[in-house]
Amino acid sequence: QSVLTQPPSVSGAPGQRVTISCTGSSSNIGADYDVHWYQQRPGTAPKLLMYGNSDRPSGVPDRISGSKSGTSASLAITGLQAEDEADYYCQSYDSSLSGLVFGGGTKLTVL
Amino acid sequence: QVQLQESGPGLVKPSETLSLTCTVSGGSMGSYFWSWVRQPPGKGLEWIGYIYYTGKSTNYNPSLKSRATISVITSRNQFSLKLSAVTAADTAVYYCVRVADTHFPHFDYWGQGTLVTVPS
Repeated sequence: QSVLTQPPSVSGAPGQRVTISCTGSSSNIGADYDVHWYQQRPGTAPKLLMYGNSDRPSGVPDRISGSKSGTSASLAITGLQAEDEADYYCQSYDSSLSGLVFGGGTKLTVL
Repeated sequence: QVQLQESGPGLVKPSETLSLTCTVSGGSMGSYFWSWVRQPPGKGLEWIGYIYYTGKSTNYNPSLKSRATISVITSRNQFSLKLSAVTAADTAVYYCVRVADTHFPHFDYWGQGTLVTVPS
């Protein structure tokens, strides 16, 4: 059981918009710790996709956005493309565990 | 461009110690924390721990119950992981990563990962 909860899977057709949620608690996201997101394509290492809740590293398209509110965060992808098919993980800090925590991951399928 | 490369045995016997090294190239280790993350086959990511480049500050995932030790050799631009008393549950791809932002830590550079198998 992960400290941060994500839906196991989401799907959408090309061109559509999908969102992936990440739900935490008062000891992590709700304690105002930033949420970060990673994309992992099959057989490859994870790649930083979003940091500081809503900041994109260089090279990440602006059709990908992040937000945070209360004890939850979300990753939104608009204009869905085949290349977006991957696993997505959220990550934050937990004060009860005094360490870094990940969500269980969400598999995005482009129909 | 910072690059990280893991190295070490791909097979470790139960109850023995897993030892991995990460070599950092394309940049200095200075002013950063360095970390290990693992991923069991078909499962999610798990943070193992991190170390400051001076070696004077470390933090570990409490779920590993003190089995993990991370150390750094800045003169070689390397850091390492030792995980003692391994079991089949420690079978995973192990990634070495750079930690960005000490206030809100996240991982900006990743190694390609190395699979370590512990037979049951």
